[in-house]
Amino acid sequence: EPEVTQTPSHQVTQMGQEVILRCVPISNHLYFYWYRQILGQKVEFLVSFYNNEISEKSEIFDDQFSVERPDGSNFTLKIRSTKLEDSAMYFCASSVSVLGGGGDTQYFGPGTRLTVL
Amino acid sequence: SQKIEQNSEALNIQEGKTATLTCNYTNYSPAYLQWYRQDPGRGPVFLLLIRENEKEKRKERLKVTFDTTLKQSLFHITASQPADSATYLCALDRSSGYALNFGKGTSLLVTP
Repeated sequence: EPEVTQTPSHQVTQMGQEVILRCVPISNHLYFYWYRQILGQKVEFLVSFYNNEISEKSEIFDDQFSVERPDGSNFTLKIRSTKLEDSAMYFCASSVSVLGGGGDTQYFGPGTRLTVL
Repeated sequence: SQKIEQNSEALNIQEGKTATLTCNYTNYSPAYLQWYRQDPGRGPVFLLLIRENEKEKRKERLKVTFDTTLKQSLFHITASQPADSATYLCALDRSSGYALNFGKGTSLLVTP
């Protein structure tokens, strides 16, 4: 069964450093998402991406964050200058949503645990 | 703003019984509602989706109801098994797009 993959599984970085989290969505999916989950808290939406541009972003997704689809398979989340409070599990997800209208199943990756020291 | 509430206390039940989890929401009329399962350290896994014009949905031992008047969804697992032990997340579509807003989840523990 196709699945979303994410690398690395765990990233440790120093405060102020840049990190890039990578995701390979399911191949025929058109919508891509990033969510994060701080330990013990709920899963929070960051950004959605469709047709090579951001379709929606939350108030969490400020100027230090950016997303990119550099080729036909990868989807990346970059955090420019990491802060201690960026420590969380970051999940990538994808959905088909060919015709739009929402309601499509989102398939989540296993996550990248980001630790900022 | 949209608010999603799930039982914050863990639910402990005996194997074979029916587990019932609740999701309440306010300040929104979602077009659909989804339930996901999350195991520790793992990503959410989709279980069921129910649309606003549907009252009930079933899949194997799972059943979801959706009452848009009460602004509530109930999630049932019948004949529960220890393998059902996990955190169950309720998610609603964001009014502005296709992404999801999640509740904090309810932890279910099924004991033999």
